[in-house]
Amino acid sequence: KQEVTQIPAALSVPEGENLVLNCSFTDSAIYNLQWFRQDPGKGLTSLLLIQSSQREQTSGRLNASLDKSSGRSTLYIAASQPGDSATYLCAPIRGAGKSTFGDGTTLTVKP
Amino acid sequence: DAGVIQSPRHEVTEMGQEVTLRCKPISGHNSLFWYRQTMMRGLELLIYFNNNVPIDDSGMPEDRFSAKMPNASFSTLKIQPSEPRDSAVYFCASSLLGSGNTIYFGEGSWLTVV
Repeated sequence: KQEVTQIPAALSVPEGENLVLNCSFTDSAIYNLQWFRQDPGKGLTSLLLIQSSQREQTSGRLNASLDKSSGRSTLYIAASQPGDSATYLCAPIRGAGKSTFGDGTTLTVKP
Repeated sequence: DAGVIQSPRHEVTEMGQEVTLRCKPISGHNSLFWYRQTMMRGLELLIYFNNNVPIDDSGMPEDRFSAKMPNASFSTLKIQPSEPRDSAVYFCASSLLGSGNTIYFGEGSWLTVV
């Protein structure tokens, strides 16, 4: 059974800092991995999808890396802004789209 | 595209009542997922369908829960009878298998059973 761990559970930083969120998973037989953002009272918004054959994926100030063999992924956020405050979840995805979610990292960016 | 549409957004019901949650996936998507999110257990996959067929329902907590997908544009998750411990946010999501499996979530149905 896939186990997903996200570290840290919570993070508070001043605006402008670069930061890294970590995700580890126990079963490396995945097709891809997706990072999501969840705002309070809202659904999940897809940020980045990394295919298992890729090492990283970038979108704006976000960069996600994937090391499938070691069961790790990181989400790098550059020049953080208060609007980045949210909970970030990672989800390794197996065949047929079956995903397992971590508990998330709750990020607070202080102005 | 309107995205994944769920209804109702909020529901408060009494213990023992039947609850039906509805989902319309993104047009053209062939996979549909039902998740439950609670503070205690986080986000759990309950069941998922490929091409309207249930593939894995191992996450469905009890026989009180059932899900159907009668066609490619509609799915229901039913709880009968409901119990207070079923109170949670229920998310529906869809994806297009074979396109990288990017999963798109609805806004969720917030269920409170009193």
